Amino acid sequence: GAGVSQSPRYKVAKRGQDVALRCDPISGHVSLFWYQQALGQGPEFLTYFQNEAQLDKSGLPSDRFFAERPEGSVSTLKIQRTQQEDSAVYLCASTYTRLPRSGELFFGEGSRLTVL
Amino acid sequence: AQKITQTQPGMFVQEKEAVTLDCTYDTSDPSYGLFWYKQPSSGEMIFLIYQGSYDQQNATEGRYSLNFQKARKSANLVISASQLGDSAMYFCAMRGSYHQGGKLIFGQGTELSVKP
Repeated sequence: GAGVSQSPRYKVAKRGQDVALRCDPISGHVSLFWYQQALGQGPEFLTYFQNEAQLDKSGLPSDRFFAERPEGSVSTLKIQRTQQEDSAVYLCASTYTRLPRSGELFFGEGSRLTVL
Repeated sequence: AQKITQTQPGMFVQEKEAVTLDCTYDTSDPSYGLFWYKQPSSGEMIFLIYQGSYDQQNATEGRYSLNFQKARKSANLVISASQLGDSAMYFCAMRGSYHQGGKLIFGQGTELSVKP
């Protein structure tokens, strides 16, 4: 497809399980972002890639969160030993420029994680 | 630190009327960008409009216009001739300067309901 694709769309995990969320950005997009959106809140920045380099991971809430983009295209967000507070929608976004000026971010529909 | 504030949790507007969604921001960067996104119930963030801090004129995109008042640090979104399909969450966001790497900081959002 032409847009940012995320999978799975919905994930239910038991507390303590590991989860992996996948993001397929728009082909050729250099920059890729992960955001966490809790219910009723605005998206919160997690991490940012420029090609395969993770340039900013300041938003990752704990060392249980890990993101990678080994070949500069598909990215995976991994959450180890999930906790209930990890329940949220995880949004992926990409853009074609290294520094989006007027170029907007293109968002996927998100992966909704529910931790029981 | 950068901050975006949206003080209207919910707004109602009659179909075909205009509505203004408020957004104030705080930053010490001289160069920044301001964005508005729409998030329907499907979850995808849809880019609406962009305003650069050095842009002389207020941005307009179809029925959307951005009332940018730099001295007041406000960037309100005006939607003219509201349509039922405009019912959604609306987020104001800010992008900082180069060293910020292009990440967006989002406000808490405003839920707009358009009444027939």
